[in-house]
Amino acid sequence: NAGVTQTPKFQVLKTGQSMTLQCAQDMNHNSMYWYRQDPGMGLRLIYYSASEGTTDKGEVPNGYNVSRLNKREFSLRLESAAPSQTSVYFCASRRGLAGGNTGELFFGEGSRLTVL
Amino acid sequence: GNSVTQMEGPVTLSEEAFLTINCTYTATGYPSLFWYVQYPGEGLQLLLKATKADDKGSNKGFEATYRKETTSFHLEKGSVQVSDSAVYFCALSTTSGTYKYIFGTGTRLKVLA
Repeated sequence: NAGVTQTPKFQVLKTGQSMTLQCAQDMNHNSMYWYRQDPGMGLRLIYYSASEGTTDKGEVPNGYNVSRLNKREFSLRLESAAPSQTSVYFCASRRGLAGGNTGELFFGEGSRLTVL
Repeated sequence: GNSVTQMEGPVTLSEEAFLTINCTYTATGYPSLFWYVQYPGEGLQLLLKATKADDKGSNKGFEATYRKETTSFHLEKGSVQVSDSAVYFCALSTTSGTYKYIFGTGTRLKVLA
């Protein structure tokens, strides 16, 4: 049961470098999300994609871009990394509401990013 | 706007102690409420959920009741184990618009043998 897979798990960048975090889910979920987790701040939504072909900004989108490549994959790109983007990033997908389900989120294991 | 407030941690308990982690929310309409748990080095995973007033969610000995009159969804467990040591997040999801989630800041629980 793969669920939600994120890569890489760890990354160190220098200020100004770019990188892409990859996320894939094998549960046929329509909606996917990118969150960042910082101490004392819980999870904050960066971007989300309600369905293939659509993306929308969350609470903290500045400095990030996303691509919903297909139904399975949702990538997050940092074009010019800054120390303030040091964080743990989580990708999640949401179960649909059909069949009485309540739309809970399924998370990947996280990607720890350090920007020097 | 919608928000979730949960008690500050860390919470340190001895094995077999009773656990309560408080969570209150502010939301328009009728949100669904969730507790997620994050074990060290892992992503969040759903612990329990409730979708309407007076619903009780339960899983692995944990329980929480959706109280609309007090806008609360407190997490309880009668007897904690060392393996329950983790960070617990209260969350709500709205059913209007784009179905967004709001998370609390998390409460770290440490259980000592």
